[in-house]
Amino acid sequence: QSVLTQPPSASGTPGQRVTISCSGSSSNIGSNTVNWYQQLPGTAPRLLIYNNNQRPSGVPDRFSGSKSGTSASLAIGGLQSEDEGDFYCATWDDTLIAPVFGGGTKLTVL
Amino acid sequence: QVRLVQSGAEVKKPGSSVKVSCKASGGSFRTFSISWLRQAPGQGLEWMGGIIPMFGPAKYTQNFQDRLSITADESTSTAYMELNFLTSEDTAIYFCAREQQLALFDWGQGTLVTVSS
Repeated sequence: QSVLTQPPSASGTPGQRVTISCSGSSSNIGSNTVNWYQQLPGTAPRLLIYNNNQRPSGVPDRFSGSKSGTSASLAIGGLQSEDEGDFYCATWDDTLIAPVFGGGTKLTVL
Repeated sequence: QVRLVQSGAEVKKPGSSVKVSCKASGGSFRTFSISWLRQAPGQGLEWMGGIIPMFGPAKYTQNFQDRLSITADESTSTAYMELNFLTSEDTAIYFCAREQQLALFDWGQGTLVTVSS
């Protein structure tokens, strides 16, 4: 059982915009910044969004993040087949005194 | 550009220990915050603990408090994760990652640890 809640799956067609949600509580998302990671099949995760809405160097601007209250979301615009993979939200939890993750959302490009 | 390279896959017997290494290149290793995470087959990511070499003692999540040891060797820019008293539930891919601004910017390639009798 993950501390942060994500939908198990999401899908879209090429060119579409898809949004993935992440729900937490006042002890985690409500009081800390949110990061998003993408994990392509058979590879290590890579940082996609940090500090709620910042993109590391090399991440296309069609990936964007937002946070409101105890929830956050990742938006992927102009969906491409190579975007298929698992997406994880993460943040710090003040009660657990540790980073916590969502269970992951598997994105399928139809 | 920071690069993290982990040691190879391991097969261990239940009750034994495993030690995985993570060698860093690029940047100042002693100031890095290195985290260890794991991913069981078909499951999500779980943070285990972390260390900043220049500050010394590692921090661990409660789940692993009694059987996990994370260390760092500044002379070789290598971090280590040792997990004791292995069970089949410890079968997973173990990752090291460099943390900055509370985010994991750089990742090792992962090390598969299989626990089987």
